Amino acid sequence: QKEVEQDPGPLSVPEGAIVSLNCTYSNSAFQYFMWYRQYSRKGPELLMYTYSSGNKEDGRFTAQVDKSSKYISLFIRDSQPSDSATYLCALYNTNAGKSTFGDGTTLTVKP
Amino acid sequence: DVKVTQSSRYLVKRTGEKVFLECVQDMDHENMFWYRQDPGLGLRLIYFSYDVKMKEKGDIPEGYSVSREKKERFSLILESASTNQTSMYLCASSPILLAVRNEQFFGPGTRLTVL
Repeated sequence: QKEVEQDPGPLSVPEGAIVSLNCTYSNSAFQYFMWYRQYSRKGPELLMYTYSSGNKEDGRFTAQVDKSSKYISLFIRDSQPSDSATYLCALYNTNAGKSTFGDGTTLTVKP
Repeated sequence: DVKVTQSSRYLVKRTGEKVFLECVQDMDHENMFWYRQDPGLGLRLIYFSYDVKMKEKGDIPEGYSVSREKKERFSLILESASTNQTSMYLCASSPILLAVRNEQFFGPGTRLTVL
């Protein structure tokens, strides 16, 4: 069983929709939770990170962590065609000194 | 802006060839990483380095080696390329100041095809 499972997608939504991207994990040692965005033919870039359970908002993006359920989500409000990309969750275990990535969910926002 | 560059965007090699993938970062980051990215398997860590001449095995080091002779440069070596090493290879770097959450800055990737 993988340490991090990400909803596989692909996901296709109309412009303006609310998007929910999700990951579950099994190792309670993960302490930092990150979302990376990867455009086609580019490397991933950090979108958001959070440490504690709860919500963290940044513009149209909200990262949510529920440590008790070992579940993390990224919500995108008012989605735009420019949000079309692959989104990867990444969980960091400070004891192990490395991050474990989800497989990624490819999102297409249609105008 | 942090810049991580990789020597080639696309590379085609033959089975058994020795392959060098080069990565250079210009922000004086201490940590550097090599991943491969495959459909359905996500990003998998091959090797990482916390300092010059230091290296640590990641999750899938078999068939690979690395070299870090200078702080800004981290090389991935395929000693004898095989078809199952056909993949997208991504290099990343991370400053020690952000080590608390391991925020990484990625290069554009090298798509390697082994025939």
